[in-house]
Amino acid sequence: ETGVTQTPRHLVMGMTNKKSLKCEQHLGHNAMYWYKQSAKKPLELMFVYSLEERVENNSVPSRFSPECPNSSHLFLHLHTLQPEDSALYLCASSPGQGAVIGELFFGEGSRLTVL
Amino acid sequence: GENVEQHPSTLSVQEGDSAVIKCTYSDSASNYFPWYKQELGKRPQLIIDIRSNVGEKKDQRIAVTLNKTAKHFSLHITETQPEDSAVYFCAALAPDSWGKLQFGAGTQVVVTP
Repeated sequence: ETGVTQTPRHLVMGMTNKKSLKCEQHLGHNAMYWYKQSAKKPLELMFVYSLEERVENNSVPSRFSPECPNSSHLFLHLHTLQPEDSALYLCASSPGQGAVIGELFFGEGSRLTVL
Repeated sequence: GENVEQHPSTLSVQEGDSAVIKCTYSDSASNYFPWYKQELGKRPQLIIDIRSNVGEKKDQRIAVTLNKTAKHFSLHITETQPEDSAVYFCAALAPDSWGKLQFGAGTQVVVTP
């Protein structure tokens, strides 16, 4: 049903683990995004990709590493995370880019817990 | 960069009453203002948006107003229903920000029957 799918939906990992979050969009959009959602805080933009090229990195710690192999897929590789990184990670895509992005279409999110 | 403040953080209304959520933004160049609704355990979804060349936009029971001079915009929900219960996020986009929507912290709206 959804145009943007994220896996896994839930992930528990230790601080020394390496894991990856996956996002796939079936909407033919040009731009994809990773957002972090923490309780009672604004959605925080982490990364923006346009046509597979990263155009925005909001000073995200290097323990988060994005990868966009093509315009339909986006990954977030996780390594040596901290407990404060526990949050809902939302992927989104948009038909436009730059100053005219249009509507953001979000995935259901990946709930990450770092122990 | 852009900064968006959203108030109130929680809002309880009786079914049938109106709800108003207000946001202010800091970058006078911002020209696109969407509102997203996120139901419990669900993804955020766009419900309405407005661009800086108009002052008001309506879609059935929801409306958004924009005051560029004061740099604030508001969401109005009339005749609220229980299914309006959700977290609502406002956002602003500046033309030189390359798709970087700045979101407010959200408003938890609870509509009681």
